[in-house]
Amino acid sequence: GQNIDQPTEMTATEGAIVQINCTYQTSGFNGLFWYQQHAGEAPTFLSYNVLDGLEEKGRFSSFLSRSKGYSYLLLKELQMKDSASYLCAVRDSNYQLIWGAGTKLIIKP
Amino acid sequence: DADVTQTPRNRITKTGKRIMLECSQTKGHDRMYWYRQDPGLGLRLIYYSFDVKDINKGEISDGYSVSRQAQAKFSLSLESAIPNQTALYFCATEGGSISGANVLTFGAGSRLTVL
Repeated sequence: GQNIDQPTEMTATEGAIVQINCTYQTSGFNGLFWYQQHAGEAPTFLSYNVLDGLEEKGRFSSFLSRSKGYSYLLLKELQMKDSASYLCAVRDSNYQLIWGAGTKLIIKP
Repeated sequence: DADVTQTPRNRITKTGKRIMLECSQTKGHDRMYWYRQDPGLGLRLIYYSFDVKDINKGEISDGYSVSRQAQAKFSLSLESAIPNQTALYFCATEGGSISGANVLTFGAGSRLTVL
């Protein structure tokens, strides 16, 4: 079966750096997405990786290793507003998105 | 106005009732999706549509039906609601390449409680 694994919950301190990991086993690969979801709100797009390597976008970066079935989302200079769930999703060979359960990130002052 | 609008935002109903959740979009996208989200689980696809004449079942379509009335409108129905359909439901459209990918734009969600 297809599977996306990410930690259920992480805690970090304001101003620090946190890395959220995502491992996947899917039928084919056509890109990996990270979405941010604040409590009770809609998910919003953060980043996309289809080739190996690091994609940087301001305080957020996302890394992909297709051979290892692994990605991470790196958040720098954490702010209280970064408290949210972060969803990893992989598009498989049938163009379907397979979603992880999400990682709830708690930021402490 | 939001790009993807869902109504109702909250609904409490009783077992056996018929419920319709509506979704409309102003993004002009052909592809539309209905997902449900439950605590501790990832988003699960109920139905999707790639254009007005195209309807496809997702991984958890049992107990649900959909109608694509127009490019902009995609509604989800529960013919006879049951308590385990209590969940947060999201409509999404796909399109508009960002960073080389077609991303999803989600509505604000419809929280359904079935008693």
